[in-house]
Amino acid sequence: NAGVMQNPRHLVRRRGQEARLRCSPMKGHSHVYWYRQLPEEGLKFMVYLQKENIIDESGMPKERFSAEFPKEGPSILRIQQVVRGDSAAYFCASSDAGTNNQPQHFGDGTRLSIL
Amino acid sequence: AQKITQTQPGMFVQEKEAVTLDCTYDTSDPSYGLFWYKQPSSGEMIFLIYQGSYDQQNATEGRYSLNFQKARKSANLVISASQLGDSAMYFCAMREVFKAAGNKLTFGGGTRVLVKP
Repeated sequence: NAGVMQNPRHLVRRRGQEARLRCSPMKGHSHVYWYRQLPEEGLKFMVYLQKENIIDESGMPKERFSAEFPKEGPSILRIQQVVRGDSAAYFCASSDAGTNNQPQHFGDGTRLSIL
Repeated sequence: AQKITQTQPGMFVQEKEAVTLDCTYDTSDPSYGLFWYKQPSSGEMIFLIYQGSYDQQNATEGRYSLNFQKARKSANLVISASQLGDSAMYFCAMREVFKAAGNKLTFGGGTRVLVKP
């Protein structure tokens, strides 16, 4: 399967713990995006990364959230000291270029539940 | 102001009939792209169709077509010959090329479509 791979598919954490969400982009894609979806809502942009660079993090909460896309390995979205409001589906998408007409291909998402 | 507005929270459609899903957008960027995605109950996001702001023709992909009216800032999705498998949430999204690094997608709130047999 050459699509965008996200893991885990489901993640349960207790309040105060850390959550790490992983995303491997499609083969050949160097642009990665993270979105968050609350129940019955559309996706909200969080962060856009290229290898080793954060290009746009305008949608990231100022505290507790961080993202990286290292030279080797998957992109990681990290949420420290999780709270109930962090419960959501987190989607990663990738594209092969920053041009206007390239669709972003999405992974199946990680459903994060905070107890 | 909402950048992407989908005014229909939910719709029923009879199998084999066509359905139109509304999407209006707001941007001052001269160059932008409009996308439609389908999200079935299993949760994944499936890309359906794309329309560029400079495209002269309306986009089509199989049973999906996009009714692009630039002056009215609308990009409605038409699904012809509905099938039971079309039951899903449908999201309209926009990418503004010159604003905000040009790559993030802004999504509407979605329209839930239920196809009746």
